[in-house]
Amino acid sequence: GNSVTQMEGPVTLSEEAFLTINCTYTATGYPSLFWYVQYPGEGLQLLLKATKADDKGSNKGFEATYRKETTSFHLEKGSVQVSDSAVYFCALSFTGTASKLTFGTGTRLQVTL
Amino acid sequence: GAGVSQSPSNKVTEKGKDVELRCDPISGHTALYWYRQSLGQGLEFLIYFQGNSAPDKSGLPSDRFSAERTGGSVSTLTIQRTQQEDSAVYLCASSLVGGSEAFFGQGTRLTVV
Repeated sequence: GNSVTQMEGPVTLSEEAFLTINCTYTATGYPSLFWYVQYPGEGLQLLLKATKADDKGSNKGFEATYRKETTSFHLEKGSVQVSDSAVYFCALSFTGTASKLTFGTGTRLQVTL
Repeated sequence: GAGVSQSPSNKVTEKGKDVELRCDPISGHTALYWYRQSLGQGLEFLIYFQGNSAPDKSGLPSDRFSAERTGGSVSTLTIQRTQQEDSAVYLCASSLVGGSEAFFGQGTRLTVV
């Protein structure tokens, strides 16, 4: 079956540090890939997505590139802020009636001053 | 409504009682998901509805859990004879079609005492 593996958290960084959260997937075929973010006390919301190989999703300074050869979709940001502290979830799906979103376990990011 | 609405937002129940959790998806969304998020844990898939197709119930943890979606819109997740390990945040999400971007509700925090 389909699965998503994320790096263990929590990740603690100082403000303005570079962020990478690793995500790899296992799937038959070429899924769409997503990063969702859950800020403290809030619901999950879509951060960015990519629907085919070599696509780069970007939003709010975050980027992730769909790498078919390494089945990866690592999340990066060049300079994190305290307001980026949240839990980040990588997910995959195949568009279609039989599909559902499959999530990774989530990675908690804590950014300090 | 503008987003996915879940009710109640908080529910405290005694062990052994039945509870019903409600989800109002975004109008026109054909796919609806239920997930569970325990403290400090990732997202656990419970059930997925897509249009008139048979739901994917593969994530329901026991036969005490059931869900229905009436008229392709509102969904109710029922937990019978609640146990303390059922305590978690229950999240509902909907998407336009299966596998596309999912929009999440704020969740129902269930506490079994």
